[in-house]
Amino acid sequence: GDSVTQMEGPVTLSEEAFLTINCTYTATGYPSLFWYVQYPGEGLQLLLKATKADDKGSNKGFEATYRKETTSFHLEKGSVQVSDSAVYFCALRTSNSGYALNFGKGTSLLVTP
Amino acid sequence: DTAVSQTPKYLVTQMGNDKSIKCEQNLGHDTMYWYKQDSKKFLKIMFSYNNKELIINETVPNRFSPKSPDKAHLNLHINSLELGDSAVYFCASSQTQTSRQETQYFGPGTRLLVL
Repeated sequence: GDSVTQMEGPVTLSEEAFLTINCTYTATGYPSLFWYVQYPGEGLQLLLKATKADDKGSNKGFEATYRKETTSFHLEKGSVQVSDSAVYFCALRTSNSGYALNFGKGTSLLVTP
Repeated sequence: DTAVSQTPKYLVTQMGNDKSIKCEQNLGHDTMYWYKQDSKKFLKIMFSYNNKELIINETVPNRFSPKSPDKAHLNLHINSLELGDSAVYFCASSQTQTSRQETQYFGPGTRLLVL
């Protein structure tokens, strides 16, 4: 079945460091790919998405490119801030799961001053 | 106005009790979902309704019963609560059920603790 694999956390970075969170997927269909963010004690917010190969999603300085050849959707940000500390979830959506989101296990990010 | 709202936000109860969680969306969406987030933060789909019709029913104990009185509401009733039911339950909605491109909007979650 479909699945999403994210790098294990927690990831700890200093403010203004470069961030990469790896995400790879397995899907029999043609998925759309999403990054959601969960701030402490809150619900999930969509961070960005991409719906076809080579699309780049971007928001709030974060970017991710849909790479069909490597089945990847890595999240990047050039300069992280303390306020970026959160849990980041990579997810895919296809008809295989009735169009429900299929999440990775989440990567916790802590940014220190 | 909150797009997807859930009540209660926190729920502490004893084993064996029956409890309900309510969800409402004011986005005019046709499809609503329940997800469960366990203690390790892993999120998994439980149910999905489209226009009050059950679409997805994952391997969830029969003690969990969703109900959708109208397309703006999706409630979750849990009978005979067990310790393992302790989790955060998220409601979500999307415009339709059959588009892989659409964004799902999540509620703030209900933190259930079974003692």
